[in-house]
Amino acid sequence: QVQLVESGGGVVQPGRSLRLSCVASGFTFSSHSMHWVRQAPGKGLEWVASISHDGGNKYSADSVKGRFTLSRDNSKNTLYLQMNSLRAEDTAVYYCAKEIVSATWGNFDYWGQGTLVTVSS
Amino acid sequence: DIQMTQSPSSLSASAGDRVTITCRASQSISGYLNWYQQKPGKAPNLLIFAASNLQSGVPSRFSGSGSGTDFTLTISSLQREDFATYYCQQSYSIPWTFGQGTKVEIK
Repeated sequence: QVQLVESGGGVVQPGRSLRLSCVASGFTFSSHSMHWVRQAPGKGLEWVASISHDGGNKYSADSVKGRFTLSRDNSKNTLYLQMNSLRAEDTAVYYCAKEIVSATWGNFDYWGQGTLVTVSS
Repeated sequence: DIQMTQSPSSLSASAGDRVTITCRASQSISGYLNWYQQKPGKAPNLLIFAASNLQSGVPSRFSGSGSGTDFTLTISSLQREDFATYYCQQSYSIPWTFGQGTKVEIK
């Protein structure tokens, strides 16, 4: 069965960095685009970034552009989110999500359990 | 960016009720609309993709309809396990955007 397991969250001071990881299993990781979606405490869902199956195409929300970098290692079935210059408003649960089928874009059929990032001094 | 607006923001219903949630896009998104269910402390769960396609494993009491700018999620007979927050999301263009959510509560 499909599993997505995020890690790397924690408490970090404003301006510092953090790297999130998402290890995938149960499907052909290298065939699917992958995504990060976040949810601030008590708030709704916000798309953060997406990467194509081969890493050749990457997109991110304006709110994180220039600060967050998305990458993947298909040999390790792992997705990464490097978060730099963190701000208080980046505080959220970060979910990685799988694209539903290899030929589509923007449809999140499986989600990890989430990892909490708290940016606070 | 495409804005997604759900209505109502919350509703109270009883088990067995028929429930309808509406999602409106700020511009036409054809049929590129997904619905998710989220329970407290859990990750979202895909219910409906491409406006009307039931995701594998999702009970048939859930259905979706619509195209263009107006979409509907219907739960034909609400079950206790359906009390949750529901989100619509457009996959027409980046940035992918979600509605603000509709919380379905027990009456």
